[in-house]
Amino acid sequence: DAGVIQSPRHEVTEMGQEVTLRCKPISGHNSLFWYRQTMMRGLELLIYFNNNVPIDDSGMPEDRFSAKMPNASFSTLKIQPSEPRDSAVYFCASQTSGGYNEQFFGPGTRLTVL
Amino acid sequence: RKEVEQDPGPFNVPEGATVAFNCTYSNSASQSFFWYRQDCRKEPKLLMSVYSSGNEDGRFTAQLNRASQYISLLIRDSKLSDSATYLCAPLGPGGYNKLIFGAGTRLAVHP
Repeated sequence: DAGVIQSPRHEVTEMGQEVTLRCKPISGHNSLFWYRQTMMRGLELLIYFNNNVPIDDSGMPEDRFSAKMPNASFSTLKIQPSEPRDSAVYFCASQTSGGYNEQFFGPGTRLTVL
Repeated sequence: RKEVEQDPGPFNVPEGATVAFNCTYSNSASQSFFWYRQDCRKEPKLLMSVYSSGNEDGRFTAQLNRASQYISLLIRDSKLSDSATYLCAPLGPGGYNKLIFGAGTRLAVHP
């Protein structure tokens, strides 16, 4: 079975540009999480979707960040405009809901904003 | 105070050694706890779950002390392949599977 798929794996952009990160969760998983990892702040939850509906977006840093999940097999995280402090590794994770089950992480997107 | 605190390490140990990491958490309502392993430049992967006082899986033992609000991870007979960062993650509030990750403890096992 394919795991969580993320694209691109690496993104280098200039400050002010729009960045879109993509995620395909594991088929059959109905919970999806976007995380950001930096040396300074560690692994932080940005937003959580259940059955394609955003449930908790309290971790989204500011209005420059937005996330969508138009269907069960696709989600995007958009940053517009990007800033150098957004440089981080962004992980997507998926999970089946109902009790606690393992969260499976994608390989991450390493974002560098110059 | 951070919600989850871990000693960043690194812990440098020889092969065959026993090593233990502690993780303290601030939310006394947390009921479930997890240890994830993260290799360099890779994604985190679940290592162990702890729902009651502890859990053991081969060379790995996780223990929970609710009174003192900490969980520990013990690795016996360390292997070179155990070198990684170990992330502690209590299940947070909110009524869903929200994990609160610690910053991680780095382990380096040398020959």
